[in-house]
Amino acid sequence: GESVGLHLPTLSVQEGDNSIINCAYSNSASDYFIWYKQESGKGPQFIIDIRSNMDKRQGQRVTVLLNKTVKHLSLQIAATQPGDSAVYFCAENRRTGANNLFFGTGTRLTVIP
Amino acid sequence: DTAVSQTPKYLVTQMGNDKSIKCEQNLGHDTMYWYKQDSKKFLKIMFSYNNKELIINETVPNRFSPKSPDKAHLNLHINSLELGDSAVYFCASSQDLAGGPRNEQFFGPGTRLTVL
Repeated sequence: GESVGLHLPTLSVQEGDNSIINCAYSNSASDYFIWYKQESGKGPQFIIDIRSNMDKRQGQRVTVLLNKTVKHLSLQIAATQPGDSAVYFCAENRRTGANNLFFGTGTRLTVIP
Repeated sequence: DTAVSQTPKYLVTQMGNDKSIKCEQNLGHDTMYWYKQDSKKFLKIMFSYNNKELIINETVPNRFSPKSPDKAHLNLHINSLELGDSAVYFCASSQDLAGGPRNEQFFGPGTRLTVL
């Protein structure tokens, strides 16, 4: 993800609708990506991951899509619930020396009951 | 029974002071990390420790020094605190390094540091 801009991107959805959160990553050598969820006052929590040899991975109510051609990652949340309200981060493992995760800017998801 | 714990949760101090934040994980992980999250929610890696050895230092000022007495603990000591150090600091741990087969990082609850 790209840490650009002064404001945290936001997304508001109605309860029950599907949510799509997008992320652009910068390093074409990155081979591993993770989505994290961070609720207010808490640390980030792992949601789902995907390796660069895949373009889609599904979890419980979540799907991650990876498009390496345009260096784009998305997180789809089905039937969004109020408990899904949080800030969502994508992170990439950049293969530049030591293995490490670099986090994107984050997107604040607000679910409207 | 918390997997990754940090103390204190809040830390308010004057500029110029020296302070420490403690982190402990009971997951038996080999790798621990420190992250800094600024007011815009941007999360940035500071340090990684693998089996008590520092393996990265992402351009962090040398006023910050991680100390690992054993692989379950990674403490962060900060000298001569500056206003810009105000942030939330997260500790995390994983079994393997990022990219390895068991590399999911578990985060602590964070320590909010405020420098006045």
